[in-house]
Amino acid sequence: AQRVTQPEKLLSVFKGAPVELKCNYSYSGSPELFWYVQYSRQRLQLLLRHISRESIKGFTADLNKGETSFHLKKPFAQEEDSAMYYCALISAGGTSYGKLTFGQGTILTVHP
Amino acid sequence: DSGVTQTPKHLITATGQRVTLRCSPRSGDLSVYWYQQSLDQGLQFLIQYYNGEERAKGNILERFSAQQFPDLHSELNLSSLELGDSALYFCASSVGLGQFAGNTIYFGEGSWLTVV
Repeated sequence: AQRVTQPEKLLSVFKGAPVELKCNYSYSGSPELFWYVQYSRQRLQLLLRHISRESIKGFTADLNKGETSFHLKKPFAQEEDSAMYYCALISAGGTSYGKLTFGQGTILTVHP
Repeated sequence: DSGVTQTPKHLITATGQRVTLRCSPRSGDLSVYWYQQSLDQGLQFLIQYYNGEERAKGNILERFSAQQFPDLHSELNLSSLELGDSALYFCASSVGLGQFAGNTIYFGEGSWLTVV
């Protein structure tokens, strides 16, 4: 069964500080992983996906298959980064083909 | 704007009642997903349809049902509502399924359900 774990429910940093939101996964196949962001109970927006290896709004995430992790990082946090962040994994096979599984989410608060 | 449209945006209803939430996917998207977001449970996958057929089922209660119509819009029916069903219900859509580069999943703005 696939599972996504975000160990931190809340994360607080000061503006300009580095931030890392942790995500670990368990999946028997080759995963496709994403980070979604949700501002103030609005719709979820795709932040980035590991296969594109892009940087969005200064955020990056590297898939580490050895550690089964996909941590989200930003070197200098901004106040507008305050939001709920979800790590997600998509199933590539079996009866849950195409199912997107989310972690519990991490609320990031960036203080001025 | 993601292109996924959900109605109604807000709904207040009494316990024991039944409601229907509607979702129109992005043009061309065949896959529709329903999620429930609550403070205590986080974001829970409910059910997924692809081109009219149920493809995956998550933590969906028996009191809840969904379907996807030939025009690809979807409805989530919630019956015998309880206070604990109060949540934000998201619909999402994507072109297809599974692990390929083009399959980005887009979310609607959600339907706020309050059961009183």
